[in-house]
Amino acid sequence: QVQLVQSGSELKEPGASVKISCKASGYSFSNVDMNWVRQAPGQGPEWMGYITTNTGTPAYVQGFAGRFVFFLDTSVSTAYLQINSLKPDDTAVYYCVRGPWDVWGQGTLVTVSS
Amino acid sequence: IVLTQSPDTLSLSPGERATLSCRASQSVISTYFAWYQQKPGQAPRMLIYGASIRVAGIPDRFSGSGSGTDFTLTISRLEPEDFAMYYCQQSGTFGRGTRVEVK
Repeated sequence: QVQLVQSGSELKEPGASVKISCKASGYSFSNVDMNWVRQAPGQGPEWMGYITTNTGTPAYVQGFAGRFVFFLDTSVSTAYLQINSLKPDDTAVYYCVRGPWDVWGQGTLVTVSS
Repeated sequence: IVLTQSPDTLSLSPGERATLSCRASQSVISTYFAWYQQKPGQAPRMLIYGASIRVAGIPDRFSGSGSGTDFTLTISRLEPEDFAMYYCQQSGTFGRGTRVEVK
């Protein structure tokens, strides 16, 4: 079945970087774009943008350009989100979501704390 | 586009009807309008897309309606498993959610 499996929780210090993986299975990875969503504690989901999986071209929602980077390894059907220069406000669960918004990863909790 | 959901919290008993509202700051294309349910510790789950089309496997007590700027999610008779957060979404943008809690 169609599935997105994300990497595990991360605890990072401010200023560090983190890379979250999202491995897809059960469908043709390069035919469907991948979205990324952030959900801060107690808040609603927030769309960060998406990456076009047949070209690797990212598109960032305003506010997520710069420190947030989307990229792919199509050889292993995996999308990645890297967050650089982490801040405490980046503490959240991050989800990858298949293009039509029909399949979500299980979420990756990133905690930024000294 | 800003999506405003109301009420923030809906306190109801099992078996009652729930009516959740989502208003867009400008007219939107219904094709890209969706409703999600989220339970604690879980990812959101799409219930409705295209404003009124139920996702396969979603019980028919869930229904969506609306167009333009005003959309509604109705749960005809609340089951115990329906008490959760509900979010509307338009082309990626999410509302702040309505909590449906047990009265």
